[in-house]
Amino acid sequence: SSELTQDPAVSVALGQTVRITCQGDSLRSYYASWYQQKPGQAPVLVIYGKNNRPSGIPDRFSGSSSGNTASLTITGAQAEDEADYYCNSRDSSGNHLGVFGGGTKLTVL
Amino acid sequence: EVQLVQSGAEVKKPGESLKISCKGSGYSFTSYWIGWVRQMPGKGLEWMGIIYPGDSDTRYSPSFQGQVTISADKSISTAYLQWSSLKASDTAMYYCARHEVLDYYYYMDVWGKGTTVTVSS
Repeated sequence: SSELTQDPAVSVALGQTVRITCQGDSLRSYYASWYQQKPGQAPVLVIYGKNNRPSGIPDRFSGSSSGNTASLTITGAQAEDEADYYCNSRDSSGNHLGVFGGGTKLTVL
Repeated sequence: EVQLVQSGAEVKKPGESLKISCKGSGYSFTSYWIGWVRQMPGKGLEWMGIIYPGDSDTRYSPSFQGQVTISADKSISTAYLQWSSLKASDTAMYYCARHEVLDYYYYMDVWGKGTTVTVSS
């Protein structure tokens, strides 16, 4: 299967912890990557691989994986974390094809 | 600084052709896959395809195979996305992104700012 499934919307109180999940068969074989997109801006990579953050991404962002589910956790959510979050992975075809989840809109209350 | 610079916004009529570009700098352009991502108005990200400029190996999502052509000119570190006959449904923002493709890792670490394509009669 080449589909990744995300919850459409999640909310979190300011300063609390939130987990955004991504499910798909390809996640049994490949790590997910996670992207943050704010309105009018290009996506930004926030997590890749087992649990790697690019330079400049706050350490409140972390990633994990179990079976066919990958998770992005924000520990101590800030107002500036309100955004759309997308997971991505390589599909199972072995042809370097990518696939995105449908995206999760995170609201920080 | 590693960056991808995309060409400017386009307004076209249905049936017209179009080629948009993405110029890489600050890294070895021929050593990374470059891909294209579509975002229709108010919608999510859709992965379209990738090219390896070193040898022009190109892969397409089944959803976009035959609908667009991805190419690259390594002499000027530029990747392209082109349409031979645009449709109104091609109206979207198009992003290019540098891909890292490893055994278990697959991610896009550098993104262009996007090119808006509007197709309207």
